[in-house]
Amino acid sequence: DGGITQSPKYLFRKEGQNVTLSCEQNLNHDAMYWYRQDPGQGLRLIYYSQIVNDFQKGDIAEGYSVSREKKESFPLTVTSAQKNPTAFYLCASSGGTRGNQPQHFGDGTRLSIL
Amino acid sequence: DAKTTQPPSMDCAEGRAANLPCNHSTISGNEYVYWYRQIHSQGPQYIIHGLKNNETNEMASLIITEDRKSSTLILPHATLRDTAVYYCIVRGYNSDTDKLIFGTGTRLQVFP
Repeated sequence: DGGITQSPKYLFRKEGQNVTLSCEQNLNHDAMYWYRQDPGQGLRLIYYSQIVNDFQKGDIAEGYSVSREKKESFPLTVTSAQKNPTAFYLCASSGGTRGNQPQHFGDGTRLSIL
Repeated sequence: DAKTTQPPSMDCAEGRAANLPCNHSTISGNEYVYWYRQIHSQGPQYIIHGLKNNETNEMASLIITEDRKSSTLILPHATLRDTAVYYCIVRGYNSDTDKLIFGTGTRLQVFP
């Protein structure tokens, strides 16, 4: 089945540690996105990529990094500089960044601090 | 991007139609209306979107008023699995960041 796969489903981070969240899509979509959701809140954009080897900061990029070396993959690294990383992280993809191209989401990774 | 207003919660009996309203009075001509839903602890699920014409797919129907200032998502035969938070989003065609702005949505409870 075509879709977006995020792994792991749950992740725990120790103080001072970097962790990487995986996002893979087999929808042949050009654009990919990372959002963060806090309890009872809406989604906030961290980074997005419109094409391979290119990505742009969203509203809350500080403390995060991404890469886009392959069309199907857009991993997110939560660095030790992110002081409040506990959240639900969602990856999405779309056929383009035009307003008429829906974004489709994975099932998320829940990150917690040990 | 225009802001949207939705009721915080609604109830619907199983098998009946669920009609979820959304106001977007500041929508501009090139902005689409999108609907997503989110079931607890899952990623948002795309439902439907439209510009000015009514739209229907296998999940739902979207009715947009002629002045485009409001819309209604219709789930024709609600089931217990339709219990979720439903988000109405307005999204521009040439948005620089292309982010989706999720508000607080409508929590739909389908009861037996």
